[in-house]
Amino acid sequence: AQKITQTQPGMFVQEKEAVTLDCTYDTSDPSYGLFWYKQPSSGEMIFLIYQGSYDQQNATEGRYSLNFQKARKSANLVISASQLGDSAMYFCAMRFSNSGYALNFGKGTSLLVTP
Amino acid sequence: EAGVAQSPRYKIIEKRQSVAFWCNPISGHATLYWYQQILGQGPKLLIQFQNNGVVDDSQLPKDRFSAERLKGVDSTLKIQPAKLEDSAVYLCASSPLPTGGSSYEQYFGPGTRLTVT
Repeated sequence: AQKITQTQPGMFVQEKEAVTLDCTYDTSDPSYGLFWYKQPSSGEMIFLIYQGSYDQQNATEGRYSLNFQKARKSANLVISASQLGDSAMYFCAMRFSNSGYALNFGKGTSLLVTP
Repeated sequence: EAGVAQSPRYKIIEKRQSVAFWCNPISGHATLYWYQQILGQGPKLLIQFQNNGVVDDSQLPKDRFSAERLKGVDSTLKIQPAKLEDSAVYLCASSPLPTGGSSYEQYFGPGTRLTVT
């Protein structure tokens, strides 16, 4: 069975600090993709970052980086220099090569950035 | 480039009534997805189309939900009759056909928030 686990229901971080959001997964499929999406209160899912299972280097996109530890089956999102606008729900998701490319989402982590 | 469009944004209906949602994907995107997001949970795939064919509808409650994508562009999702547990946000997403080495991430619309009373 393929499963995504986000164990942090809510996180607080002070503005300008870095924060790590945890994500672990369970799969026996050797080929998969890992995604992080942001969902502000407006409801739209915004793509942040992608990591392929065969990628050798950790993905980075601006202030977002993905700490990919394949042996531990974890794909944590690191947000550096947090901004007030980063306050939102964050979802980790996996795509499996045999799933028609649909995404399997975790339950999400609510991040609140404080001044 | 225009994003994924959905309408309506909000809908309130009574149980046992019917409702339909509409989605217009990003131009040129062959793949279209409908997800259901219940409050406090991550989105769950209901159905996936590639062009106008169904790729995966294994989690679609077919006794009450139906979806179509005529001409491989717009799509409609219908619920008939609605139940209280159908209250959720219905998200439409689209992506291009996968090519080697691409992340082909999905682009989401703003969603339709359905409340069944």
